Amino acid sequence: DAGVIQSPRHEVTEMGQEVTLRCKPISGHNSLFWYRQTMMRGLELLIYFNNNVPIDDSGMPEDRFSAKMPNASFSTLKIQPSEPRDSAVYFCASSPRGGGGETQYFGPGTRLLVL
Amino acid sequence: GDSVTQMEGPVTLSEEAFLTINCTYTATGYPSLFWYVQYPGEGLQLLLKATKADDKGSNKGFEATYRKETTSFHLEKGSVQVSDSAVYFCASRDDKIIFGKGTRLHILP
Repeated sequence: DAGVIQSPRHEVTEMGQEVTLRCKPISGHNSLFWYRQTMMRGLELLIYFNNNVPIDDSGMPEDRFSAKMPNASFSTLKIQPSEPRDSAVYFCASSPRGGGGETQYFGPGTRLLVL
Repeated sequence: GDSVTQMEGPVTLSEEAFLTINCTYTATGYPSLFWYVQYPGEGLQLLLKATKADDKGSNKGFEATYRKETTSFHLEKGSVQVSDSAVYFCASRDDKIIFGKGTRLHILP
């Protein structure tokens, strides 16, 4: 199994530009999660989906952030417009089912730098 | 609301030393508990887990026991190696997963 795939691995952009991060979960997994990791705030859950439906987006910092999951094998996290404070590592994770106790499998992350 | 608190790092030990990283949780329900490890430049990966009280999770020489009476899930290893240097995250999951802030571990040869 290829694991969770994220692209790009690194992104450098200028303030005000649109950024799109992509994720392909493990085949057969029903839940998908987007996280942001910074030194100051640690690991934060932004949003998660069950069966392609957003369940909890309370962690999305503001309206500049949006996430979609058009099908079971693809999700995007978009930032528009981007700001320097959005610089972080963004992780996507998937798990087999939405219930408690399920292990999450993380992708390698996208390291975003907004200048 | 639910929360996870783990000891702040960095923790620096010599090779073959005994390791304990403390983790406590608060929850209204009966969460499953996890330890994840993050090696440099990588995503988190599951180290071990326990789904009910008194369960012990173990992997790669690491152990943690789900203690409901003390709401704790401390991570232990009897003899650490340089390759154990990483960031360790404690997490609880009831209806959604909550991670602690992570503890950076440095093992000196």
